[in-house]
Amino acid sequence: GDSVTQMEGPVTLSEEAFLTINCTYTATGYPSLFWYVQYPGEGLQLLLKATKADDKGSNKGFEATYRKETTSFHLEKGSVQVSDSAVYFCALSAYNQGGKLIFGQGTELSVKP
Amino acid sequence: KAGVTQTPRYLIKTRGQQVTLSCSPISGHRSVSWYQQTPGQGLQFLFEYFSETQRNKGNFPGRFSGRQFSNSRSEMNVSTLELGDSALYLCASSPGMAGTEAFFGQGTRLTVV
Repeated sequence: GDSVTQMEGPVTLSEEAFLTINCTYTATGYPSLFWYVQYPGEGLQLLLKATKADDKGSNKGFEATYRKETTSFHLEKGSVQVSDSAVYFCALSAYNQGGKLIFGQGTELSVKP
Repeated sequence: KAGVTQTPRYLIKTRGQQVTLSCSPISGHRSVSWYQQTPGQGLQFLFEYFSETQRNKGNFPGRFSGRQFSNSRSEMNVSTLELGDSALYLCASSPGMAGTEAFFGQGTRLTVV
């Protein structure tokens, strides 16, 4: 079945460091891909999305490119801030599954001043 | 416009009891999905309702059920609670077409004692 695999955390970085969180997926057809972020005690917020191969999603300095050839959707940010500390989830929506999302296990990011 | 509202935010129940959680989606959204989030299992899909019909279902026992009303509000019910049902239950609202992003509520934290 469809699945998403993320790099394990926690990831600890210093402020202004470069961030990469790896995400790969397995799916039939052409899924849409998402990154969500969860701050402590809150629900999930959409960070960015891409709906077809080679699309680049971007928001708040974060970017991810839909790579069909490597079935990947890695999250990157050039310079992280303390306020980026949160748990990040990669997710896919299969073309024939309506509103259902399949999530990776989440990657906790901690940014130190 | 108003976001996704989940009630209650916190709940403590005893083993064997049943519980009902509520979710009010974003106005105009016809799809409501439910997810269970635990430290060990991550985010797991429970079910999705679209226009009052269950459209997708995850791998949970029959003790977990849901419904959707004509105004798109949704409830999920868990009967005969077990300690392992302790989790954050998240509701997601979306227009319902594949590839469209979902918007999450803050969740209901259920503790079973």
